[in-house]
Amino acid sequence: GAGVSQSPSNKVTEKGKDVELRCDPISGHTALYWYRQRLGQGLEFLIYFQGNSAPDKSGLPSDRFSAERTGESVSTLTIQRTQQEDSAVYLCASSLVDAQPQHFGDGTRLSIL
Amino acid sequence: GENVEQHPSTLSVQEGDSAVIKCTYSDSASNYFPWYKQELGKRPQLIIDIRSNVGEKKDQRIAVTLNKTAKHFSLHITETQPEDSAVYFCAASHTGTASKLTFGTGTRLQVTL
Repeated sequence: GAGVSQSPSNKVTEKGKDVELRCDPISGHTALYWYRQRLGQGLEFLIYFQGNSAPDKSGLPSDRFSAERTGESVSTLTIQRTQQEDSAVYLCASSLVDAQPQHFGDGTRLSIL
Repeated sequence: GENVEQHPSTLSVQEGDSAVIKCTYSDSASNYFPWYKQELGKRPQLIIDIRSNVGEKKDQRIAVTLNKTAKHFSLHITETQPEDSAVYFCAASHTGTASKLTFGTGTRLQVTL
């Protein structure tokens, strides 16, 4: 595709529910990243996929967070038993191979009531 | 891990003046330093980047300088325009082994008429 695509663009859910966020990277980009951006703050790294290598999960804040990627395409970020502090914009980025630069999607704005 | 500090947090300049934003990093192995511009509610957009094998890079009104010895890099915007108003983020990574970006906390630049 022309750019990184994320869905949904907005998600409002009740505390305790599970949510799934989707990222479709730029075609041909083998590296995919998830970041979280809380209101008025910088971007925090969550997880990184590169080809068939084991993902770098070092940024996941708790075991309620997980992510999967099918081959070199779509990735889903799952947050289980959501809490209010999970409210943020979740941004996905992709890049060629293991190189830079990273290109970002528009993000999913997650609001936990 | 890497730590990136960014200053100032807010910056107000008059149209036509120059703006300078500074970042420092902690990991001497970092070798890639991008700058992103983020307008309200929009995705981060790469505006310029520099790799550790060069000391300066320029693209029209935007330039970035890198001092590896001191572990700091700066963004320079000349002849500022109202459309330059946004939040700017610096970041650092080590391509090849730790490609995740570590971001600074952002600088809100306001260009006044």
